[in-house]
Amino acid sequence: GENVEQHPSTLSVQEGDSAVIKCTYSDSASNYFPWYKQELGKRPQLIIDIRSNVGEKKDQRIAVTLNKTAKHFSLHITETQPEDSAVYFCAASISAGGGNKLTFGTGTQLKVEL
Amino acid sequence: GAVVSQHPSRVICKSGTSVKIECRSLDFQATTMFWYRQFPKKSLMLMATSNEGSKATYEQGVEKDKFLINHASLTLSTLTVTSAHPEDSSFYICSATGGNQPQHFGDGTRLSIL
Repeated sequence: GENVEQHPSTLSVQEGDSAVIKCTYSDSASNYFPWYKQELGKRPQLIIDIRSNVGEKKDQRIAVTLNKTAKHFSLHITETQPEDSAVYFCAASISAGGGNKLTFGTGTQLKVEL
Repeated sequence: GAVVSQHPSRVICKSGTSVKIECRSLDFQATTMFWYRQFPKKSLMLMATSNEGSKATYEQGVEKDKFLINHASLTLSTLTVTSAHPEDSSFYICSATGGNQPQHFGDGTRLSIL
């Protein structure tokens, strides 16, 4: 089955700096890669996703890059703000819908310091 | 965006009690719902995949007689933790998907067994 590894487990940055979180996956059949943000005690929220037919996707301060050959994808947050502090999870799946299950990474605790 | 409602948000009960958790998709038809368990500071662990009108598929190591899942309609799935014990205390989260919708998560249920 799919295995997703995520690094780093914790990340501290100064407000305004960039943050990068990296994930690797094992199953070459995976084609859908979402990123979720989870604040303490709350639901994971989808913040951005990418499908395997593109290499990069951007939404304001958030971007995701995908390298299918190397089987890794990354989340980039620019101009970080205190409200970006949360746990971020990457995931991989065969497709977005169709009842395909997600395999999650182990999470990254991001702390944005003033 | 898609809305998934999970109820109750918190349950505290005595050992031996059975607890039912509901997961509803409010604005789309959820052909598939997923049930996760999350330990503190850990990733989401998939327990089972529930397709509307059929039996749930449980992940390895998850006791199906312990965690009963019903998905009788396109908008509702329930998880019943039978004869709960302190080791069942955890944060349980559902997600729902339908068509090409990515997984959208409920708010989670914090279960505490005394």
